[in-house]
Amino acid sequence: DQQVKQNSPSLSVQEGRISILNCDYTNSMFDYFLWYKKYPAEGPTFLISISSIKDKNEDGRFTVFLNKSAKHLSLHIVPSQPGDSAVYFCAASASWVGGYQKVTFGTGTKLQVIP
Amino acid sequence: GAVVSQHPSWVICKSGTSVKIECRSLDFQATTMFWYRQFPKQSLMLMATSNEGSKATYEQGVEKDKFLINHASLTLSTLTVTSAHPEDSSFYICSAAATDTQYFGPGTRLTVL
Repeated sequence: DQQVKQNSPSLSVQEGRISILNCDYTNSMFDYFLWYKKYPAEGPTFLISISSIKDKNEDGRFTVFLNKSAKHLSLHIVPSQPGDSAVYFCAASASWVGGYQKVTFGTGTKLQVIP
Repeated sequence: GAVVSQHPSWVICKSGTSVKIECRSLDFQATTMFWYRQFPKQSLMLMATSNEGSKATYEQGVEKDKFLINHASLTLSTLTVTSAHPEDSSFYICSAAATDTQYFGPGTRLTVL
């Protein structure tokens, strides 16, 4: 049972344009969401997160939007740069308590930014 | 940012041998570390949660006698793949829990011949 889903396995975007990566979840207990970027044969790198009490969080070129009623979140990257080309994982966690964070990952979306 | 290291980064071993992978948080203390496994073109699958000074909590379907986890200090957790077989070949990634996120190690590529 895939509780966190990224339905687009890949996405191609022109440099300078906006990249929108989508993620859906099914577990209503999830209250904290994260996006990670991963290059091949490397560990994931944390990008940005959002708590369920918010609907938007912005950090530089990266913005995450959360729609709790739709159980949907998205990551916007603008402007997209070739160095953004990587696999992006959406992740979700329930009960972010005392530093203990059991995270469920989505299947990933491979982003290619074309120069 | 917080740094997590893994050693070795790549290991090849014969079937039947045991392999130990180390995960270290270099500049912070982590009471909780996680071990993941990633198959090609698939998501990260949580194998177990490692808490310093106590037994690890394994996810359903993960053999605890096969994948031994030791979290002896606040900066070190180890995963030992015992009697490794070719189907254990995979990319193993650890992470260390900080205040509001997890920081991941670079991963260890295990190939069992």
